[in-house]
Amino acid sequence: GAGVSQSPSNKVTEKGKDVELRCDPISGHTALYWYRQRLGQGLEFLIYFQGNSAPDKSGLPSDRFSAERTGESVSTLTIQRTQQEDSAVYLCASSLVGGGNSYEQYFGPGTRLTVT
Amino acid sequence: AQSVTQPDIHITVSEGASLELRCNYSYGATPYLFWYVQSPGQGLQLLLKYFSGDTLVQGIKGFEAEFKRSQSSFNLRKPSVHWSDAAEYFCAVGARGGGSQGNLIFGKGTKLSVKP
Repeated sequence: GAGVSQSPSNKVTEKGKDVELRCDPISGHTALYWYRQRLGQGLEFLIYFQGNSAPDKSGLPSDRFSAERTGESVSTLTIQRTQQEDSAVYLCASSLVGGGNSYEQYFGPGTRLTVT
Repeated sequence: AQSVTQPDIHITVSEGASLELRCNYSYGATPYLFWYVQSPGQGLQLLLKYFSGDTLVQGIKGFEAEFKRSQSSFNLRKPSVHWSDAAEYFCAVGARGGGSQGNLIFGKGTKLSVKP
């Protein structure tokens, strides 16, 4: 079936503008994750959604970052008043139910965000 | 706190040569362990995982990894590298139970170049 999709693939925005990034997980995957990958760095966890539970927002770097997910479908990551340090690739992943299998995450191709 | 160290930022090997990518982790117990590969412009693809049992795990594309508890290591190996293996490789750990289920902690990655 289809994998995780993300849009847009690239986004260039001016400092101070708001951006929305979208993630479509694999159908039936109850867990969804957002990560940030800065140039030359590993992935940095941002937020985690599991079913209808309250999301784990512990990785969000500031209150300019927020994310929503409708049920077990699409998620949007919003960055308000973007700063140059927000420039990165934002990766979305999804996985099946909890326990060890939660960690078998399937990643989308990412959205490359450039803040000028 | 959990952490993952990949000591080699960049490795170059000749096609047909053997490969070993190092990964060390810091965690209070045995975590779940993963290796992902990221080709240019692509999302991450799971190569292999260790949950429990046999400490030598086989993955896709001819890769294997060995979990060594005494050394807190999970090194990735391949006996004969192909040019198509050129990519960036990430080691990751996940906590067993509690906290953000499924959240992975990633190393900073090792970039593999393959000489003809």
